Amino acid sequence: DAGVIQSPRHEVTEMGQEVTLRCKPISGHDYLFWYRQTMMRGLELLIYFNNNVPIDDSGMPEDRFSAKMPNASFSTLKIQPSEPRDSAVYFCASSPGFFYGYTFGSGTRLTVV
Amino acid sequence: GQQLNQSPQSMFIQEGEDVSMNCTSSSIFNTWLWYKQDPGEGPVLLIALYKAGELTSNGRLTAQFGITRKDSFLNISASIPSDVGIYFCAGQTMGAQKLVFGQGTRLTINP
Repeated sequence: DAGVIQSPRHEVTEMGQEVTLRCKPISGHDYLFWYRQTMMRGLELLIYFNNNVPIDDSGMPEDRFSAKMPNASFSTLKIQPSEPRDSAVYFCASSPGFFYGYTFGSGTRLTVV
Repeated sequence: GQQLNQSPQSMFIQEGEDVSMNCTSSSIFNTWLWYKQDPGEGPVLLIALYKAGELTSNGRLTAQFGITRKDSFLNISASIPSDVGIYFCAGQTMGAQKLVFGQGTRLTINP
């Protein structure tokens, strides 16, 4: 298995632009998580899905952030419009279920200038 | 909300030394996990613990699930340069799919 695949690995964009981050979870994993990592706040859970349905989006910072999971093999995290304070590493992770832990992707490093 | 206090925040050691770090919480967890993050990569699961008092090893790594269910420990024996990275603890409560992560321990090794 190729693991959790995220793209792009790096994204540099100008303030106000739309940014879309992509994730392909491990086949057969029913849970998908989006995290944001910064030096100040560590790993923050933004949203997670179970069987393609959003379960908890309480970590999404504001309406500029949205996430979708149109099928079991693909999810997107969109920021529109982007702001410099959105600069961070965004991780996608997937899990087969309770007590199995998560498998993380390699992350997307987002820089908004 | 639930929080995990991980300590120390950073460690600077000599190659060959043993390392100890821990994680404490005010809440009871049913699962404790330890992850390692290498620079530029996502966290990778090292050890999972499912029972209070459980002691589990993975090579030179040993982790324990505290008896109170409110803490966990990770030890690394005879450290080597590739042990450098950030170590995270994570806890999970019964019935909750979300993991709660600690702030991480950054390990630096002087050769």
